[in-house]
Amino acid sequence: EAGVAQSPRYKIIEKRQSVAFWCNPISGHATLYWYQQILGQGPKLLIQFQNNGVVDDSQLPKDRFSAERLKGVDSTLKIQPAKLEDSAVYLCASREGQNNEQFFGPGTRLTVL
Amino acid sequence: QQQVKQSPQSLIVQKGGIPIINCAYENTAFDYFPWYQQFPGKGPALLIAIRPDVSEKKEGRFTISFNKSAKQFSLHIMDSQPGDSATYFCAASPNYGGATNKLIFGTGTLLAVQP
Repeated sequence: EAGVAQSPRYKIIEKRQSVAFWCNPISGHATLYWYQQILGQGPKLLIQFQNNGVVDDSQLPKDRFSAERLKGVDSTLKIQPAKLEDSAVYLCASREGQNNEQFFGPGTRLTVL
Repeated sequence: QQQVKQSPQSLIVQKGGIPIINCAYENTAFDYFPWYQQFPGKGPALLIAIRPDVSEKKEGRFTISFNKSAKQFSLHIMDSQPGDSATYFCAASPNYGGATNKLIFGTGTLLAVQP
């Protein structure tokens, strides 16, 4: 079974630029999560999708971050414009049905200069 | 109330030792407590999890101890090996099995097992 795929793995941009990350969850997993992991901290949930609907985006900085999962499969997370404090690893995870285990992708490491 | 406090921040043990990582929470609505293991450059992976209706769960060399009244839980790694060197995160979730299930993570413990 293929795992959660993410791209790119690394991205370096300058502040005020925009950036997008892509995630393809495990096949059949209806729930998809985007987390932000700042160096030395635990992952923090940004947004949760159930199929193509948003379940929780309470911690998403909506003035600069946006995410979509149009067909209920893969998802993109966008930051526009980026700030220095957005430097982090962005993790995507997926979950199957009522199973509580979340499967994480390898993440995208973003550096904002 | 949504925080999960984890300690220590880092831990060094000798091979064969038993590292213990502790976590505490305040929200009594939490009903699912997993531990995740993360190697450099990888995403976290589920190691073991427990629900509050049991006080201990063991899987291989990994054991979770859970104290519901104290709102604390801990991870013990028996006979630790250099390959166990990783960052360990505790987490908690308020909606076991539900559609809105989400994880609140602790700050992580960097474990180094010396040969």
